[in-house]
Amino acid sequence: DAKTTQPTSMDCAEGRAANLPCNHSTISGNEYVYWYRQIHSQGPQYIIHGLKNNETNEMASLIITEDRKSSTLILPHATLRDTAVYYCIVRGVDSWGKFQFGAGTQVVVTP
Amino acid sequence: EAGVAQSPRYKIIEKRQSVAFWCNPISGHATLYWYQQILGQGPKLLIQFQNNGVVDDSQLPKDRFSAERLKGVDSTLKIQPAKLEDSAVYLCASSLDRIEAFFGQGTRLTVV
Repeated sequence: DAKTTQPTSMDCAEGRAANLPCNHSTISGNEYVYWYRQIHSQGPQYIIHGLKNNETNEMASLIITEDRKSSTLILPHATLRDTAVYYCIVRGVDSWGKFQFGAGTQVVVTP
Repeated sequence: EAGVAQSPRYKIIEKRQSVAFWCNPISGHATLYWYQQILGQGPKLLIQFQNNGVVDDSQLPKDRFSAERLKGVDSTLKIQPAKLEDSAVYLCASSLDRIEAFFGQGTRLTVV
């Protein structure tokens, strides 16, 4: 059962910020929002995760709305190497929370 | 740090044959996952191990799929007999603290 909703695809110009939305309206209080990406012919790669507060690391920023029903992953300066499928995952980390992937968003960065 | 190693990278078999995939997780990672990724879809969890015990195998087709993790380190996933619909990429992942999972490159299986 999909816990997240993401657009199927989006394009982004190289050097511009890419804003990837995700809806998770049924998220519960002990569930985190995770983002992974999968470059063609590779395994998924962890990007970032968060619970309530906005998070930033060297790869991206994660903005979570106050009601936690949606979030946005921001790639500040997209490069051609950021072309990939991006997965938004809601996951409980108590007990043995598994990573359940949906179909993700195909992001194409163009020159 | 060495990543998750999987072999083989590619495998082509005929339907009804058997096949096995091998995974060597990152050293010290207690949690190991096997995922199946059909073309155009996101990965689907097949089985999750904590050390050498199974935590979740609810989506593993147990009539034909089996997996084991000996001594809590390496793991093998077997399909016997294979069907055409088993054509997919099989991904192994491991996690130290169940916060972040690291994935291998996967094994691409083609059943003809």
